[in-house]
Amino acid sequence: EVQLVQSGGGLVQPGGSMRLSCAASGFTFPTYWMSWVRQAPGKGLEWVANIKEDGSQKYYVDSVKGRFTVSRDNAKNSLFLQMNYLRGEDTGLYYCARGHFGRDKWGQGILVIVSS
Amino acid sequence: QSALTQPASVSGSPGQSITMSCTGASSDVDYYNYVSWYQQHPGKAPKLLIHEVSNRPPGVSSRFSGSKSGSTASLTISGLQAEDEADYYCTSYTDSATVFGGGTHLTVL
Repeated sequence: EVQLVQSGGGLVQPGGSMRLSCAASGFTFPTYWMSWVRQAPGKGLEWVANIKEDGSQKYYVDSVKGRFTVSRDNAKNSLFLQMNYLRGEDTGLYYCARGHFGRDKWGQGILVIVSS
Repeated sequence: QSALTQPASVSGSPGQSITMSCTGASSDVDYYNYVSWYQQHPGKAPKLLIHEVSNRPPGVSSRFSGSKSGSTASLTISGLQAEDEADYYCTSYTDSATVFGGGTHLTVL
């Protein structure tokens, strides 16, 4: 069974940092693009970042460029999102998802709250 | 990276068909055949319904279909069922990025 299990998240002060993790199982992780998508409370979905199968290409939404870094460890079937200089508008539920043009499997979501 | 435009809400009665739209631009929906649609029930993760404009993943009901004309993509749900009541999001690939629509809430009357 394909599973994406997320960890990390919680409460962080504005300007702080947080690292999200996504552990993949049930599929050949190194052969898939992976994505991060977030959802602010009561709002719609927003794409955050993509990373190519081998990690050689990474893309970000403009609002997080220079602050967030997506990475992966194919040996450990894991995806990460390092978030620095966090702002209130970064608050939301963060999902990891498998795929690039069609994200067919999603993690359970992890809540990030940026507040003092 | 401008968001795609979706109607805030649509509604239909059980058994009916509804179509919801997703309007983009020449740089995304019109240019690429990489439009996807997702269904999200409250408190749940999104579920992929359609990818690459009109392709259904395994296990997705044939009641869901997608199409595109120019810069507007559409999702049609036939034979509406109560469990179809949810939020629906379109996305498109554009110049190394992904843009989402604001979402459409479907009410089954």
